[in-house]
Amino acid sequence: DQQVKQNSPSLSVQEGRISILNCDYTNSMFDYFLWYKKYPAEGPTFLISISSIKDKNEDGRFTVFLNKSAKHLSLHIVPSQPGDSAVYFCAASERNYGQNFVFGPGTRLSVLP
Amino acid sequence: KAGVTQTPRYLIKTRGQQVTLSCSPISGHRSVSWYQQTPGQGLQFLFEYFSETQRNKGNFPGRFSGRQFSNSRSEMNVSTLELGDSALYLCASSGPGLGEQYFGPGTRLTVT
Repeated sequence: DQQVKQNSPSLSVQEGRISILNCDYTNSMFDYFLWYKKYPAEGPTFLISISSIKDKNEDGRFTVFLNKSAKHLSLHIVPSQPGDSAVYFCAASERNYGQNFVFGPGTRLSVLP
Repeated sequence: KAGVTQTPRYLIKTRGQQVTLSCSPISGHRSVSWYQQTPGQGLQFLFEYFSETQRNKGNFPGRFSGRQFSNSRSEMNVSTLELGDSALYLCASSGPGLGEQYFGPGTRLTVT
């Protein structure tokens, strides 16, 4: 049973437009969420995090929104750049249980020039 | 600050053999987690070590084990390798408290 879901395996966006990547989770005990991006043959790179006490966190072009009641989070990238083309993973954890993150299956983002 | 390093980067083993993978965390990081990434299952948590103690464990068989040394370096061992163990093994370290994890480049294990 997938506790963290990313229902879109892939997404294509035009350069300069907004990319919206979605993530849903089922475990209501999750209270800390991360987004990573991954290029081929490299480990995931941390992008941005959000804890359940917030509903938004912003870092440059990246903004993460959390809707706890819907158990849904999204990553917005504005404006999208060709270098953003990668696989994006969301991950969730219960902070009381240490660094045990459950990862979604990933969404492949392609930013077209 | 140097990032997380993993050795070796690539490994080919035969079914039934055992393998040991190594991970050096970012200096000052005491938590090291291991993940297995496969095309079908995505990134799956294996275990986490903190101050030489296993703090968390995922749902993997006992053939998968690990340890952490006093300098926070960690090793992961897989015994009696099976074809299905072919995967990218990633380790990640994190600093004090609970927060984002920083991943190494991974070790690509192929079992033939």
